[in-house]
Amino acid sequence: EAQVTQNPRYLITVTGKKLTVTCSQNMNHEYMSWYRQDPGLGLRQIYYSMNVEVTDKGDVPEGYKVSRKEKRNFPLILESPSPNQTSLYFCASSQRRGSGEKLFFGSGTQLSVL
Amino acid sequence: GENVEQHPSTLSVQEGDSAVIKCTYSDSASNYFPWYKQELGKRPQLIIDIRSNVGEKKDQRIAVTLNKTAKHFSLHITETQPEDSAVYFCAASWGAGGGNKLTFGTGTQLKVEL
Repeated sequence: EAQVTQNPRYLITVTGKKLTVTCSQNMNHEYMSWYRQDPGLGLRQIYYSMNVEVTDKGDVPEGYKVSRKEKRNFPLILESPSPNQTSLYFCASSQRRGSGEKLFFGSGTQLSVL
Repeated sequence: GENVEQHPSTLSVQEGDSAVIKCTYSDSASNYFPWYKQELGKRPQLIIDIRSNVGEKKDQRIAVTLNKTAKHFSLHITETQPEDSAVYFCAASWGAGGGNKLTFGTGTQLKVEL
């Protein structure tokens, strides 16, 4: 089944404790992206990747890191999480870069930073 | 960068009535306008999209209209049903050199009442 898989689904952590949210897609998609969803703010892009070893900042990249060593995986790293990073995170992918491509979303990761 | 405004933030309709959600965008270079539906606790999923060379597109009970001159586009749902209750996000993107950079609106919570 074609899908984007995120883990974990729920995560509670404390300020400053490094964490990684994994994202994997099995559709051989070139483009992958991370979003955070906050009430009243919609979906905001954190980072995106147009292919292996090619990543770039989105609208809200501060406090996050990403890597794209393999085409299928695009982990999101919070090296020193803070409470303002408490949010619902979605990974997404599309077949190619460029306007007009349908995004496939993962099931989301609800992160709470205490 | 692109800015997308979405209204209303909440919308309540009676079953069988029509619902309209409106979005405006700022970047005249935007050429792709998708709509995503997010049911409670689920991931966003594409329900319909329109490209800048088309003024209207319809898919069963849902339709999207685009006015490029005024830089606004709208989602129309006719004969609403309880399963239409969800959060709807509009988005705008352009592909020239920017990858698949979608900017989302802040979302509309649609409630269809029996």
